[in-house]
Amino acid sequence: QVQLQESGPGLVKPSETLSLTCTVSGHSISTIYYWAWIRQPPGKGLEWIGSIFHRGRTYYNPSLKSRVTVSVDTSRNQFSLKLDSVSAADTAVYFCAREEVGAHFDSWGQGTLVTVSS
Amino acid sequence: SYELTQPPSVSVSPGQTARITCSGDALPHHYSYWYQQKPGQAPVVVIYKDTERPSGIPERFSGSSSGTTVTLTISGVQAEDEADYYCQSADNSGTYVFGTGTRVTVL
Repeated sequence: QVQLQESGPGLVKPSETLSLTCTVSGHSISTIYYWAWIRQPPGKGLEWIGSIFHRGRTYYNPSLKSRVTVSVDTSRNQFSLKLDSVSAADTAVYFCAREEVGAHFDSWGQGTLVTVSS
Repeated sequence: SYELTQPPSVSVSPGQTARITCSGDALPHHYSYWYQQKPGQAPVVVIYKDTERPSGIPERFSGSSSGTTVTLTISGVQAEDEADYYCQSADNSGTYVFGTGTRVTVL
């Protein structure tokens, strides 16, 4: 059974870069699935950030595209998120998830809270 | 930007039926999905491709679609169904979009 686990700093300063990694276990990242990042500000709804295929193809939410990079490391069975120039509005729980292509997110990590504050 | 609109809250007594709607102009052209999220937990899919139920999801959860509105129905609501529910679909550019979310309260 696939398991996903987010890791990274819980506190980031304004204008800096948020960096998170998702480690996938129980399932090779090099399969037919895409791998995604989704976030949820405290007390608010869900927002898809972007997705990546193991061969490197990416696609992003247009509202975040200018600041987002998602990458994959197949040798470590991990994928990562970088979000540039963060502000308080980027404070959220960040989830990584497995994406059934063109469809939905069928397995999720537990999520990690990232707070943007000086 | 494209939005999927849900009612903020639905209240229902145990054993009754809860219906949660999700409206969006592109819904006739893209499948919808429903997630249940309990406090402090990740979302879990309860309905996929408008009407399909994943293995392990109770039969009381069902989905339907009509034009620009999709509906999640919970028949015979139980206390454990109290949670936030989100619909999800895509816009015509392929961007994934989540609904505004509905809090289901079991009275």
